[in-house]
Amino acid sequence: HVQLQESGPGLVKPSQTLSLTCAVSGDSITSGRYYWSWIRQHPGKGLEWIGYIYSSGDTNYNPSLRSRLNISLHTSQNQFSLTLTSVTAADTAMYYCATTTVLAPHYFDRWGQGTLVTVSS
Amino acid sequence: EIVLTQSPDTLSLSPGERATLSCRASQSVRSSYLVWYQQKPGQAPRLLMSGASSRATGIPDRFSGSGSGTDFTLTISRLEPEDFAVYYCQQYGISPPWTFGQGTKVEFK
Repeated sequence: HVQLQESGPGLVKPSQTLSLTCAVSGDSITSGRYYWSWIRQHPGKGLEWIGYIYSSGDTNYNPSLRSRLNISLHTSQNQFSLTLTSVTAADTAMYYCATTTVLAPHYFDRWGQGTLVTVSS
Repeated sequence: EIVLTQSPDTLSLSPGERATLSCRASQSVRSSYLVWYQQKPGQAPRLLMSGASSRATGIPDRFSGSGSGTDFTLTISRLEPEDFAVYYCQQYGISPPWTFGQGTKVEFK
């Protein structure tokens, strides 16, 4: 089974760039079986899908974040990453990586444990 | 964007009671594309229902789902202590593909 593990800095200054990585184990990130997503959860709030990348490198981003967002594959390390520019306090959240399968894209069946990112000077 | 509105925000119940959670969509959602998750403090969400009425692997049968169109319901027939958590509905559509409700917290009365 696929397992996911997020990593990244816990603290980012306003206007700077947030970078997170999701390490994948249990399958190849290039297998073509999954959409690799990022999801965030603001403190005490609900869930927001950020974007995904497919093994081909094709991406799909939430329109609300598209102008600041980049998601990339790192195939040699079996990882994918998120880069969010010009962060503000509104980007403070728990960030999860998660997968849906190509055969059942409508639900997220694997999640990382999450990494908390605080935007503060 | 399809907006999902869950009600109530909080449900205060005792173990053994029945819980009924509602999820209303701003547009019609295909039933098989309406999903439910459970989240406990400090944990990632866990898939409960992989379609409006389809339990995910390993989910006990006290959990059931129903609904169609814009109105969906998650029912927990008899609450166990481990069921006290926050529940989210989620739909799969287009632009953005996935949106979530704001959650319903099931708390001890």
